Amino acid sequence: TQLLEQSPQFLSIQEGENLTVYCNSSSVFSSLQWYRQEPGEGPVLLVTVVTGGEVKKLKRLTFQFGDARKDSSLHITAAQPGDTGLYLCAGADSNYQLIWGAGTKLIIKP
Amino acid sequence: AAGVIQSPRHLIKEKRETATLKCYPIPRHDTVYWYQQGPGQDPQFLISFYEKMQSDKGSIPDRFSAQQFSDYHSELNMSSLELGDSALYFCASSLGGLNEQYFGPGTRLTVT
Repeated sequence: TQLLEQSPQFLSIQEGENLTVYCNSSSVFSSLQWYRQEPGEGPVLLVTVVTGGEVKKLKRLTFQFGDARKDSSLHITAAQPGDTGLYLCAGADSNYQLIWGAGTKLIIKP
Repeated sequence: AAGVIQSPRHLIKEKRETATLKCYPIPRHDTVYWYQQGPGQDPQFLISFYEKMQSDKGSIPDRFSAQQFSDYHSELNMSSLELGDSALYFCASSLGGLNEQYFGPGTRLTVT
């Protein structure tokens, strides 16, 4: 069974600080997706990374897929209160089923 | 751009009743996924359909069934509801079984 460990589970920082969220697995994924979820709403797809070593940027968010496609990171620069939310990583296995991380609850304090 | 539509958004049922949740995928998406998410938990995969055929099955209870219709919309039928079925139910859609799943806003089911 593939597992995806996401850390930290909870992070509360001040506006303007930088942060990194990690997703790690011992298994290889065909791709990995990052979602952001607001309470009571569906996860919103932020990015999909496919190629080992791939780096994608979305404004102040930088996503990286590990060279071996077993891990990924999300780095937020100069965090803002609007970044507050639950960040979920999900890796696609060989059957295109998503294996979810437990999520990182991020709070950015003004 | 059109997104995944789910209805109803909120549903309150009593124990042992039945419920039907509907999902309308993004136009041209042919794959639908159903998830259950409890408070503070990540989404748990229930079942998926590709081109109207069941493509994968997760932790869906035997009391639940689902299908995908000719117009690609999907319905999740839940019978003999239990208190533990109270959760957010999400539908996601994708194109051709590709990995990018786009989620709907969810249906909040409360069983009393």
